[in-house]
Amino acid sequence: NAGVTQTPKFRILKIGQSMTLQCTQDMNHNYMYWYRQDPGMGLKLIYYSVGAGITDKGEVPNGYNVSRSTTEDFPLRLELAAPSQTSVYFCATRQGGGSNQPQHFGDGTRLSIL
Amino acid sequence: AQKVTQAQTEISVVEKEDVTLDCVYETRDTTYYLFWYKQPPSGELVFLIRRNSFDEQNEISGRYSWNFQKSTSSFNFTITASQVVDSAVYFCALSETSGTYKYIFGTGTRLKVLA
Repeated sequence: NAGVTQTPKFRILKIGQSMTLQCTQDMNHNYMYWYRQDPGMGLKLIYYSVGAGITDKGEVPNGYNVSRSTTEDFPLRLELAAPSQTSVYFCATRQGGGSNQPQHFGDGTRLSIL
Repeated sequence: AQKVTQAQTEISVVEKEDVTLDCVYETRDTTYYLFWYKQPPSGELVFLIRRNSFDEQNEISGRYSWNFQKSTSSFNFTITASQVVDSAVYFCALSETSGTYKYIFGTGTRLKVLA
């Protein structure tokens, strides 16, 4: 069972470069989320999607973009990488229906901007 | 505004000691959901338990137990007879019930269990 797969696991970018963090799931979950985790902090929501074709901003969306063209994939795009975006990024999914369903997380992408 | 507070930044215990991790939350919702996750040194987030706001029954699962008290807005987590493998960061999260089910995370408690 693959669950939630994030690629790459590690990446180093130079300031001003762009990249896409990939997230794909095989659980047919409607809800998908992107979080970032800074050292010593909890996770903060960047963007989320309640289904294919629907996305919305979370708490810290600046500097990021997302798309959700299929149920399976929810890529996160960094257009102009900045040192403040150095973080660990987690993708999560959630089954629709039943308000107490937990989110399931990928293993994370560790991103450094130098 | 919704908020989750984990006041304990780091706790160190000796193996076999009991340890309680505190979680206090704020919400205006009358129905809400609380979760605990474990993040071991390898970095992944592992779901441990969920609790509905209308279910104040406490739960025990092996060495783990959870105490949910709506009157004090607390959802505390106890590990009995701690083991080195319990060393991890533990996160408490509050889920919105508005249809997006977004999580509000606490800042986490790092637990170190010393042999």
